[in-house]
Amino acid sequence: AQSVTQLDSQVPVFEEAPVELRCNYSSSVSVYLFWYVQYPNQGLQLLLKYLSGSTLVKGINGFEAEFNKSQTSFHLRKPSVHISDTAEYFCAVSGANNLFFGTGTRLTVIP
Amino acid sequence: DVKVTQSSRYLVKRTGEKVFLECVQDMDHENMFWYRQDPGLGLRLIYFSYDVKMKEKGDIPEGYSVSREKKERFSLILESASTNQTSMYLCASSPLLGQGSDQPQHFGDGTRLSIL
Repeated sequence: AQSVTQLDSQVPVFEEAPVELRCNYSSSVSVYLFWYVQYPNQGLQLLLKYLSGSTLVKGINGFEAEFNKSQTSFHLRKPSVHISDTAEYFCAVSGANNLFFGTGTRLTVIP
Repeated sequence: DVKVTQSSRYLVKRTGEKVFLECVQDMDHENMFWYRQDPGLGLRLIYFSYDVKMKEKGDIPEGYSVSREKKERFSLILESASTNQTSMYLCASSPLLGQGSDQPQHFGDGTRLSIL
């Protein structure tokens, strides 16, 4: 069965500092992995996805993630955050017919 | 761009009422999903549908039912609303079905439902 663990429920970081949001998954089959972002009072929006090929995936808004099969991780990174990056971030792994989501990480960017 | 529209952003109902949450997508997607989102619990799948008149239970179907009479519309029904169903409800759609679907889901803006 598939599952996702997001290790940090809240991450505060100063503006222009780097950030890493951690995600570990478990799956008995080949996986597809996703990161979504949710801004206040909105639905989820796709940031990036890993399907196959290069383990470093680039997404929107300057975010990137690295797929590490041996560590079953898919951590999200940004080298320099902006105030507008304040949001909740969800990692997800594909199942047979749907996605399994982590519990989310709330990123707060401090001016 | 895919558009998933949920009929209400905010809804307040009383316990025991029958509540309908509507969702429409405009991209001819086969799959549609209903989730509820609660703090600290992330998104939990209530029901999904991969075709008209087809439905599958998700992780937390108790107290809910769904209806998919047309491909573009997926309704979530609370048969007799209770206070523990106060939550944010998110609808999503995606174009593919199969082992390890590689298609991302597209989400609506959510309905914040309060049951008093």
